[in-house]
Amino acid sequence: EVQLVESGGGLVQPGGSLRLSCAASGFSVSSTYMNWVRQAPGKGLEWVSVIYSGGNTLYADSVKGRFTISRDDSKNTVNIQMNSLRTEDTAVYYCARAPGVSKWFDPWGQGTLVTVSS
Amino acid sequence: DIQMTQSPSSLSASVGDRVTITCRASQTISTYLNWYHQKAGKAPKLLIYAASGLQSGVPSRFSGSGSGTDFTLTISSLQPEDSATYYCQQSYGIPYSFGQGTKLEIK
Repeated sequence: EVQLVESGGGLVQPGGSLRLSCAASGFSVSSTYMNWVRQAPGKGLEWVSVIYSGGNTLYADSVKGRFTISRDDSKNTVNIQMNSLRTEDTAVYYCARAPGVSKWFDPWGQGTLVTVSS
Repeated sequence: DIQMTQSPSSLSASVGDRVTITCRASQTISTYLNWYHQKAGKAPKLLIYAASGLQSGVPSRFSGSGSGTDFTLTISSLQPEDSATYYCQQSYGIPYSFGQGTKLEIK
């Protein structure tokens, strides 16, 4: 079964750092595009970052220079290092696979909540 | 950046009704348009990919159409379990973007 499980969320102070992890099963993260998408409380979905099968990475302007997406092929995980966190980064963070040539997102993980607050 | 605009923002319909949600892109995106629904407290789930492809396991009452800038999600006969928020998403270009969502309530 293809599945994604996120971990690493929690409460962090503004300016702090947090590292989220997304563990995949049923497929290899190195063979596809992997994304992070976030959802602030009561709000819509916002794409955050992608890592391509070749290793290239891209980011939303809102996180560029602060977040870094990476992949550990030996553990079959995708991670996102979040630095210089702001209150507006508070959200549920989902990882999602983009398996098709048209890059739709399926499946999604269950999400992990990041709260940035003093 | 490509902006996605959904309408309506919310709607209420009865079991058995035909429901249509529209999504408009700020520039042409061919058929790089996907639909998801999200139930309260859950992760989004893919319904329709590439504008009209029905994801495996999704009931056939869901259908999608459109190309270019204008797209439609149709539920042919609304069921109680279809109560959710529906999002369109363009995967034509980075940054991938979502519509603001349509909250569907069952009367």
